Amino acid sequence: AQSVTQLGSHVSVSEGALVLLRCNYSSSVPPYLFWYVQYPNQGLQLLLKYTTGATLVKGINGFEAEFKKSETSFHLTKPSAHMSDAAEYFCAVSDMTGGFKTIFGAGTRLFVKA
Amino acid sequence: SQTIHQWPATLVQPVGSPLSLECTVEGTSNPNLYWYRQAAGRGLQLLFYSVGIGQISSEVPQNLSASRPQDRQFILSSKKLLLSDSGFYLCAWTVGTGHTGELFFGEGSRLTVL
Repeated sequence: AQSVTQLGSHVSVSEGALVLLRCNYSSSVPPYLFWYVQYPNQGLQLLLKYTTGATLVKGINGFEAEFKKSETSFHLTKPSAHMSDAAEYFCAVSDMTGGFKTIFGAGTRLFVKA
Repeated sequence: SQTIHQWPATLVQPVGSPLSLECTVEGTSNPNLYWYRQAAGRGLQLLFYSVGIGQISSEVPQNLSASRPQDRQFILSSKKLLLSDSGFYLCAWTVGTGHTGELFFGEGSRLTVL
């Protein structure tokens, strides 16, 4: 069975500071990994994804994440936070089999202080 | 381009009343369809998924059911709502074959059961 653990339900950073949101996963098969962002009262939209190949993936809005198989991690980073980055972020894993189910972590709410 | 429509956006229902949430996808054929529930302060819980007309897989035993009467239509129902059914319901789709697992979400339906 697959699972996702996001460390920290809330993260607060100052504008211009580094953003680091942590995600660890468990999967019995090579995983496909995703980060999604959700703004209040909206659906989720994809930030970035890892399927195969390069382990450092770049996404929209300056975010990137690195797949580390040995650590079963897929942490999300952004060098400099902007006020507009304040949202909830979800890490997710899919095994691409049996209906392509995607399992989400509990989410991390990012606060950005001026 | 593909779009996903979900309605109603908001509803308030009394305990014991029925429920019907509808989701339709445009611009694609034979999508995989999903219903997720997001409770306050929690992550996304996969409720049902479907890989074709009439094919429904349930992930969590509960008071809800799903149906897929047409290729691009996915309906979430309940005969008698419980207080615990309150939450934010999200419909999502992926390409049926040859895709990398990215989910496309609707705008969500917020259900309050009183």
